Amino acid sequence: NAGVTQTPKFRILKIGQSMTLQCAQDMNHNYMYWYRQDPGMGLKLIYYSVGAGITDKGEVPNGYNVSRSTTEDFPLRLELAAPSQTSVYFCASSPGGDYYGYTFGSGTRLTVV
Amino acid sequence: GQQLNQSPQSMFIQEGEDVSMNCTSSSIFNTWLWYKQDPGEGPVLLIALYKAGELTSNGRLTAQFGITRKDSFLNISASIPSDVGIYFCAGRGIQGAQKLVFGQGTRLTINP
Repeated sequence: NAGVTQTPKFRILKIGQSMTLQCAQDMNHNYMYWYRQDPGMGLKLIYYSVGAGITDKGEVPNGYNVSRSTTEDFPLRLELAAPSQTSVYFCASSPGGDYYGYTFGSGTRLTVV
Repeated sequence: GQQLNQSPQSMFIQEGEDVSMNCTSSSIFNTWLWYKQDPGEGPVLLIALYKAGELTSNGRLTAQFGITRKDSFLNISASIPSDVGIYFCAGRGIQGAQKLVFGQGTRLTINP
């Protein structure tokens, strides 16, 4: 029972490079989310998805893109990485409904230099 | 947008002490949740609250959903070293909306 799996765990990017953060869940959850966590700050929502083929922006979407071609996978794409994107990124999923919280992955620590 | 104000931002306590933290908002929430994040890991759900006034326990943890629906608190009794971490409150606002709003977190440090 893997839950939510994120890869890679760590990555260093140079300014202007691109990369994709991978997220997969095996719980058949409809809802998936990407958050970023900056030091001393809470979790800020980047993008979310309510099902395959449907995505929407959160609070801080600029500089990121997402896609949701399957229920299981929700990759986050960074184009033209900037130092301001240095953060820890968390993917989460939920079955939906008012009685469920989120299940989080263990995070990807990204540094842009 | 909706915001949660969590306090205190950090706590330094002795092992065995009780801990109290809270979350407030200017908006009404239908669900309050409390998460704990260990170093290098993602947050893990501790307690979920669904009704105003609800008081729920999970071992040494007790949380309450405020009567006004604009606040919640978490208490930890007789703290132990493994309680160290960051505690987040989270709220679900408009009924049917599936996005959680998170507080800034309370970093708990315990001196043995």
